[in-house]
Amino acid sequence: NAGVTQTPKFRVLKTGQSMTLLCAQDMNHEYMYWYRQDPGMGLRLIHYSVGEGTTAKGEVPDGYNVSRLKKQNFLLGLESAAPSQTSVYFCASSYGGFPYGYTFGSGTRLTVV
Amino acid sequence: DAKTTQPNSMESNEEEPVHLPCNHSTISGTDYIHWYRQLPSQGPEYVIHGLTSNVNNRMASLAIAEDRKSSTLILHRATLRDAAVYYCILGESQGNLIFGKGTKLSVKP
Repeated sequence: NAGVTQTPKFRVLKTGQSMTLLCAQDMNHEYMYWYRQDPGMGLRLIHYSVGEGTTAKGEVPDGYNVSRLKKQNFLLGLESAAPSQTSVYFCASSYGGFPYGYTFGSGTRLTVV
Repeated sequence: DAKTTQPNSMESNEEEPVHLPCNHSTISGTDYIHWYRQLPSQGPEYVIHGLTSNVNNRMASLAIAEDRKSSTLILHRATLRDAAVYYCILGESQGNLIFGKGTKLSVKP
């Protein structure tokens, strides 16, 4: 099982550039999430989705957009990257939120210069 | 949101048991207690969860206080591979994991 796959694994962007991070899961999970993790901190929720075609804001949504056009994919977009968005981004999926366990991807390390 | 309190760091010797504490005095009756861990340079990994009764799985045991205001994750025999940050998380109404800073566990050979 591939589980949750994130692409790309590393990326360097210039300030003002745009990019899309892709998360794909093969477990037929309904719920999907995007988190960011900054050095020495826990993960913070950016956006999430409770099903195909739905999205919702998390704790730190500003500067990001998301789409869930297919159940297995959850895209995170940065329209105009800023240095403050330098972080490690993790995607996760879950069968149905609590109390079901979450499966995380291995992360995307993004640097904005 | 319900909050948890964990020690910043703990040390253990290899092949000895480890007890990782978590306080959650404001837990509500329907909040599940979840534990995740994050190995260096990896995404978080599910460890265990419970509601009221103690729970065991192949990775660990979860001991929940009778009043549910605290819990303890028990690793029965620590290995070097168990060195990680361990997060104690309470169920949130919309089912979103809310991470704190966790406990960094170091395992000495």
